[in-house]
Amino acid sequence: EDQVTQSPEALRLQEGESSSLNCSYTVSGLRGLFWYRQDPGKGPEFLFTLYSAGEEKEKERLKATLTKKESFLHITAPKPEDSATYLCAVRARGGFKTIFGAGTRLFVKA
Amino acid sequence: SQTIHQWPATLVQPVGSPLSLECTVEGTSNPNLYWYRQAAGRGLQLLFYSVGIGQISSEVPQNLSASRPQDRQFILSSKKLLLSDSGFYLCAWSNPGGTDTEAFFGQGTRLTVV
Repeated sequence: EDQVTQSPEALRLQEGESSSLNCSYTVSGLRGLFWYRQDPGKGPEFLFTLYSAGEEKEKERLKATLTKKESFLHITAPKPEDSATYLCAVRARGGFKTIFGAGTRLFVKA
Repeated sequence: SQTIHQWPATLVQPVGSPLSLECTVEGTSNPNLYWYRQAAGRGLQLLFYSVGIGQISSEVPQNLSASRPQDRQFILSSKKLLLSDSGFYLCAWSNPGGTDTEAFFGQGTRLTVV
């Protein structure tokens, strides 16, 4: 069964304190792994798609990496405005169903 | 550019009442369309998806139904709401086929059944 597990559930950082969020997945043939940012009461905002192990993508202070079993979202020198829930999701080849993890709630304190 | 509209933003409905949530997409043709529900502290659960007009696939048996009367319109309905239908409902679209597989979400509808 396709599954996504995100850790930690919540992460509290000081402004400027870099860290990483983890997404472990099992899927029968990965078509894509996605990262989203979700602010309270809003729909998820697309950040990255990773397709194969070894791939990396960056956007401002965020960098996503992918291995055959997990993905990391690295946050470098975070700012309070980076506070949000970060969702990881996977889609298997040949399917339309995207499986989401429960998310990591990130709090960045000034 | 593509945009997705979802309404209403919030809704309070009594148990047993009907439901209709609407979603429309602009700036693309023949999108794949999705309805998700998000419970507090949990991941998004796929409810329905559609690859074309009149084509609906249900992922979870429940009190809800979906319809796609037009290419870029997706509707989530219920004849009689249950308390357990409360939640945050999200509509999303993705490009049909090709290498783009990511989904783009609307702003969601917070449904409270009382």
